[in-house]
Formats: sequence, structure tokens, C-alpha cells
Amino acid sequence: DTAVSQTPKYLVTQMGNDKSIKCEQNLGHDTMYWYKQDSKKFLKIMFSYNNKELIINETVPNRFSPKSPDKAHLNLHINSLELGDSAVYFCASSQGLIFEQYFGPGTRLTVT
Amino acid sequence: EDQVTQSPEALRLQEGESSSLNCSYTVSGLRGLFWYRQDPGKGPEFLFTLYSAGEEKEKERLKATLTKKESFLHITAPKPEDSATYLCAVRSGGGADGLTFGKGTHLIIQP
Repeated sequence: DTAVSQTPKYLVTQMGNDKSIKCEQNLGHDTMYWYKQDSKKFLKIMFSYNNKELIINETVPNRFSPKSPDKAHLNLHINSLELGDSAVYFCASSQGLIFEQYFGPGTRLTVT
Repeated sequence: EDQVTQSPEALRLQEGESSSLNCSYTVSGLRGLFWYRQDPGKGPEFLFTLYSAGEEKEKERLKATLTKKESFLHITAPKPEDSATYLCAVRSGGGADGLTFGKGTHLIIQP
């Protein structure tokens, strides 16, 4: 069983388009996150959700918006895509904020 | 602002040659230091959590230790399948958000 899953694995799109990435966890965790890994492989936190409430919001463009329909899902919506948005996006989950996070396989987004 | 610095950036070892990876950190109140392994094209895989100075954790050929300023990941008699990027991350109590990651150490174990 996959603990944290993401779809799609690859996403190629043009500048200006709007796209979504889905994330689901079956670990029963109460906190979920989105990270961005840039071309230099540096992982940086974007958002986290705890019990359906946004509790962390890094200084990311407001074109990015997380949406959580329930505790097991945290989707990432991106509007008006730009070239600089090209990266690998990882979803993660944890039980509480201080315990270990489990990551999904990543979504490679390429904006042309 | 929390900071995590990992060294070396890359390390090439012969199979069976033991070594250590370093993670230096600056945080406002450490609430956990985490080690992950990342293989190419995959998400980070959790290895260890350390919460207080003096704590040690072991798993197979890996051992993680923690002081007040740094953590070490010791690799004993590594095998080629230990080749990966090893990431260190911290969670602080000072309002920093999510995990703050270092840039990782790319480890290659040659047969």
C-alpha cells in the first residue's frame, strides 16, 4: 500500500495555464505539507495543513493555493503558470508538527 | 532564520569504507532533527529523528548522533545500495515553518 501518493507524476504545460496536483495519504495523519524541490535539489516548504486548517504559509506567490477536501487529501492548485514554477513538487504528511514527515513520490512540473 | 548546512556536498567511497556525514544547524529551539535518504526520481525516505543532544539512533549500517550544534550520520562498511543523497532537516520551535532542509550529501559507494 502506498502511504502518500501524488498524481500526476509528470506534468508538462504551457505558460499561463492553470493546473492542479493531487495528494492523498492513508496513514491517518492530521498534518499535510507541500514542498518544492528546485533544479539544485533544494527542498523548501510551501504550505502545511493541520486538521483542515492552513497553519503555515511560506512566502510563495498567491498563484499557488492549497485545498484540502478532507484530512487525507491536500491538493495544490497553480494559476497562471510561469517558467520559474518548473520544479518537482512533493507532498508529505505527519502526525502533528514535530514528528517525522512521510513524503510522496513527487510530481515533476515542466512549464514551457 | 533556521539554517542547515551539510558537508561534504558529495562523497565517493569504496565498498566497506566507513565514513561520516555532517549536518550543522542553527535554530531557535530545536524540536527535532531528521535524516532522510533520497534516491534519484523518488521522494525523501525517512531514516531517523533525534530530539536532544546525546541521543543516538541506529539502523543497519547507519548511525545518527546529535550534539547541540550538529548531527552526524555514520555509515559503517557501506554497500553500493547505500548510494543516495542524504538529507538533514530541522524543526524549530521558533515559528519556523515545516522542516528546514540542508542541500544534502550525495553519497556514492563503489563496488
